[in-house]
Amino acid sequence: DIQMTQSPSTLSASVGDRVTITCRASQSISSSLAWYQQKPGKAPSLLIYAASSLESGVPSRFSGSGSGAEFTLTISGLQPDDFATYFCQQYNGYWTFGQGTKVEI
Amino acid sequence: EVRLVESGGGLVPPGGSLRLSCAASGFAFGSYWMNWVRQAPGKGLEWVAGTKRDGGETYYADSVKGRFTISRDNAKNSLYLQMNSLRVEDTAVYYCATGEYYFYYWGQGTPVTVSS
Repeated sequence: DIQMTQSPSTLSASVGDRVTITCRASQSISSSLAWYQQKPGKAPSLLIYAASSLESGVPSRFSGSGSGAEFTLTISGLQPDDFATYFCQQYNGYWTFGQGTKVEI
Repeated sequence: EVRLVESGGGLVPPGGSLRLSCAASGFAFGSYWMNWVRQAPGKGLEWVAGTKRDGGETYYADSVKGRFTISRDNAKNSLYLQMNSLRVEDTAVYYCATGEYYFYYWGQGTPVTVSS
């Protein structure tokens, strides 16, 4: 099974900050990586797929990069609505998620 | 508007059974791969099961293989998860989600609690 490891687990930030979250796969997954945002009591919502493709309707301050086994999600200019938990997910071999990164004030 | 509405969750004792349903609307249900994803309280996301467009092929996480069965009825725009031999560790919110690779439509989830 492919394991996904996110870091950090928790991130303290302020409005306007540039935030970076890292996701590492236990083996190469090419660009088969997605990022999701989840707010308390809500379902996850897709932000990015294929490592760097922005889902329709997602603000351009969100960006993704990486390939192989190391990936990053960057939020350029954190907004109040962005305080949430973020998950990466690989789809190169079945489907597995990272453990999540909580972005808090 | 795309809608996925899960139902059927509840409290069940260990060893019991439960059948979850997911009613889809607003898109061509039969054209999409469907999945169940769960989230234990305060924990991360875990893919549970998936089925191809015609339901002819199904896939399961090792943690539920042999106990859970995913199925779909494209005529009724519905997805199901039959859960047998439930364990305390199956306690979670269960989401249905569309997608063969990444998951772009999600329901609001239905909670399942396995406890005596």
